[in-house]
Amino acid sequence: QVTLKESGPGILQPSQTLSLTCTFSGFSLSTYGMGVGWIRQPSGKGLEWLANIWWDDDKYYNPSLKNRLTISKDTSNNQAFLKITNVDTADTATYYCARIDILSTMMVIITSFFDYWGQGVMVTVSS
Amino acid sequence: EIVLTQSPTTMAASPGEKVTLTCRASSSVSYMHWYQQRSGASPKLWIYETSKLASGVPNRFSGSGSGTSYSLTINSMETEDAATYYCQQGSSYPLTFGSGTKLEIK
Repeated sequence: QVTLKESGPGILQPSQTLSLTCTFSGFSLSTYGMGVGWIRQPSGKGLEWLANIWWDDDKYYNPSLKNRLTISKDTSNNQAFLKITNVDTADTATYYCARIDILSTMMVIITSFFDYWGQGVMVTVSS
Repeated sequence: EIVLTQSPTTMAASPGEKVTLTCRASSSVSYMHWYQQRSGASPKLWIYETSKLASGVPNRFSGSGSGTSYSLTINSMETEDAATYYCQQGSSYPLTFGSGTKLEIK
């Protein structure tokens, strides 16, 4: 059974660094083809992909966040992390982590999608 | 960046009615994926690789499309299908989602 759960500070002030943790079970990030992604959703709005990390430590980021993101993992403890520096009120949202599944051929990823999601953690940026 | 445009933005359907939601991509993608999000809940994978139903999804749902045009169809609307549906492309980075279609029951 695959489960993911996000944790974070709840509230932080503008210009601070947001640190989020995703603790998961039912799969391993050391297994070929496995990945975890972070997605956020401001209240009443749509989904925005932030970053992915893969089993081989390959990382991808949404360029719209302009180098503010850092994704990492702790394979032995089944955790993934996301840091967002210099937060602003626009970063107020529910943050989700999700397991990534892929369709691949000849070891080339054709497409990827999020097959299991955490419950989300609300983060508010306010002075 | 591949922009996904969903239509309609909102719609209401009566029980038993056939519903079609559309997602258009600004560039060709190999597959489209769909998520259902009920109010106050996390998104759930609903349809993946354009036409495959995720585990537990009723077979009144179907997905189709290719290139830049994709759709999700509900053969016969039920009350429990009221939710927001998002499409997502995983063909190229940055991964992108559509802005969603809010489907309500009449």
